[in-house]
Formats: sequence, structure tokens, C-alpha cells
Amino acid sequence: DQQVKQNSPSLSVQEGRISILNCDYTNSMFDYFLWYKKYPAEGPTFLISISSIKDKNEDGRFTVFLNKSAKHLSLHIVPSQPGDSAVYFCAASVKWIGNYQLIWGAGTKLIIKP
Amino acid sequence: EPEVTQTPSHQVTQMGQEVILRCVPISNHLYFYWYRQILGQKVEFLVSFYNNEISEKSEIFDDQFSVERPDGSNFTLKIRSTKLEDSAMYFCASSEDKEGSSYNSPLHFGNGTRLTVT
Repeated sequence: DQQVKQNSPSLSVQEGRISILNCDYTNSMFDYFLWYKKYPAEGPTFLISISSIKDKNEDGRFTVFLNKSAKHLSLHIVPSQPGDSAVYFCAASVKWIGNYQLIWGAGTKLIIKP
Repeated sequence: EPEVTQTPSHQVTQMGQEVILRCVPISNHLYFYWYRQILGQKVEFLVSFYNNEISEKSEIFDDQFSVERPDGSNFTLKIRSTKLEDSAMYFCASSEDKEGSSYNSPLHFGNGTRLTVT
């Protein structure tokens, strides 16, 4: 089972507050995890990644936390800005039958309210 | 910053017709991919391409689909006989390293081609 789950289809957050996007996974063999952001009518854009040997990676307003025991990762955006309104995809990498695969979550639509 | 470009942005075709979706990957990238997203659904992997051959394909990528790198810059996806259920956004992507094999080599996506089959 290699599922990556984003259980919240949407999330609404006030501008300036923290946005927390969650992702759960079932395969303990995932090597690393990525977050992509997608605006309407555009392709996904890479945002931030984290190796499975780390528990935190930070890049400006974006921080990804990995809790391996809980098989859970989260993306924190602080402070949230209107331009952050987009669909956020969590993806995980695993070597499967000799090849690497990226397994994608279904996405969470983030809406930043002014 | 270099980017992946896709043409056309929107293609309307009749069921049973052939379509070719075009992509120009980032020039120094070696791995190329097609993904699709049916409206309201997950992003789905279709196929990966390296060294002028398919390296992986999903169950979706059946005999109706083919990919080609006809010259040094273009990467195309052909659907031989389109079906209504082929209607989706089709994304081309490229990467320096094989998808998933490198922490520092994420996929770079184009803006997609919206395919509408009527």
C-alpha cells in the first residue's frame, strides 16, 4: 500500500495567520516528500521537500515537518498571504520494483481570506 | 528561469479523432513525463521517458497512447482515437534526475493542455 492522503479537500485561513496543510502516508519506505502548489490553469510548481531522515525543513515562510512515527507530514505557511491561495499537493517518493515513483495526494485547496 | 512549455493550451476534438499534445521540456533535462488530471480528481502519472524510450508507464497509458521525442527539443503525447473519458488537463514535466530518485531534483511542470473530447 503506497497511499498518500490529504484528508482535507479545502482549508480557509485569514490573511496573516498560519496555514497548516496536512498529509498522511502508509508506507514507511518513502524516501522523501515534496509539496507542490498549483494555481488554476497552471501546472504544479515545486514548493519544498524533506528527506525521510529529517524532521523539519524551512524555506522562508514555508516549513515542512515530518513525523515518521505517525507517518504524517505538514506544511506550515506563516504568515499566510493572498497569493498563497492555491491547491497544495503532497507527494512521496519510493523505490518500487526497481524504479522510483512519486505518489501524489489528492490535494488541498487553500483559501486565504483578506 | 527556464520553463516547460506546452501547446496548445486548449484542444477540442471529436471522439475517435487523433490528437497530439506538444511539450518543450527544459533544455538540460534528461527525463520527461506526462501526467493528467481529470477535473476534480488526482494528478495521475501516465508515462516517463528517458534516452529515447519509455522507462515507465501506468495502467492508464494503454495502446491508444504513445510518446515521442521527434527532435532535440519537443516531446509529444499522441492519443490515437480519443474517448470522452480522455477529457482532462494533460501536464508535461521534466527533471534533471529520474523522478523520485533525487531529493534535489523535483519535477518542473508546464501549464498544461486542456483536452476536451466531444
